[in-house]
Amino acid sequence: AQSVTQPDIHITVSEGASLELRCNYSYGATPYLFWYVQSPGQGLQLLLKYFSGDTLVQGIKGFEAEFKRSQSSFNLRKPSVHWSDAAEYFCAVGFMEYGNKLVFGAGTILRVKS
Amino acid sequence: KAGVTQTPRYLIKTRGQQVTLSCSPISGHRSVSWYQQTPGQGLQFLFEYFSETQRNKGNFPGRFSGRQFSNSRSEMNVSTLELGDSALYLCASSFGPPGAEAFFGQGTRLTVV
Repeated sequence: AQSVTQPDIHITVSEGASLELRCNYSYGATPYLFWYVQSPGQGLQLLLKYFSGDTLVQGIKGFEAEFKRSQSSFNLRKPSVHWSDAAEYFCAVGFMEYGNKLVFGAGTILRVKS
Repeated sequence: KAGVTQTPRYLIKTRGQQVTLSCSPISGHRSVSWYQQTPGQGLQFLFEYFSETQRNKGNFPGRFSGRQFSNSRSEMNVSTLELGDSALYLCASSFGPPGAEAFFGQGTRLTVV
C-alpha cells in the first residue's frame, strides 16, 4: 500500500532561519508529489508539485522542493522563514492508476518564533 | 474565477442521524474528491467522482456515499452518524486527468453529539 511519512510532527524555527520539512513515500513507481499548506480552520493550498523532469521544483511563497528518487524523498525547503509561514504542511502523493486520489502524510506543524 | 465552495461550513448532528454535504467545484473542473480530516487519522481519502462516475473509493464503510451531478457539483452523504464521524470534510476539485492540481474548499466542520 502507498504511504507517506512526515517524520517531524512539530518544528520550531526562528524568523529568518532556513527551513526543511521532510517527506518520504513508499511506492514502486514514481508518483506525483505535492506539498500543501493549511492554516487553522482553512482548506489546503498547493505550494508546489512534481510530476517529472527537473527534480528541483519551485513553488509559491518562496518554497522549493527536491525529488530524490534514490531516497524516495521530496523535502520542502525555504531559505528564510517569515512569521506568516506558521501553519501545518502536508506532503501528498498521487498515482496515475488511481485518478486524483491523494495519499497524505500526517503533517508537520511549523511554529515560527520571533 | 470562483474557488471551490462547500456548504454548509458547520454542522451539528445527533448520533444516528444522516447528513448531506455539498461541494461546488471550480467551473470547468470535472473531478471532485472528498477527504475526511481528523486529529487522530489525519487526511483520508473518501472517494473521487469524475463525470458523474465514482472513479476511486477509499476504505470507509458503506455509510459514506456520494454522487456527482451533470454540472459536476457533488454531494456526500453519511448515514447513521457515529461520534467518530466528527471531522472536517474537505472537497477537492480538479480538471480531471490523474495528477492534475487539486484545489480544496474550506471544508465542512461536522460535529456529531
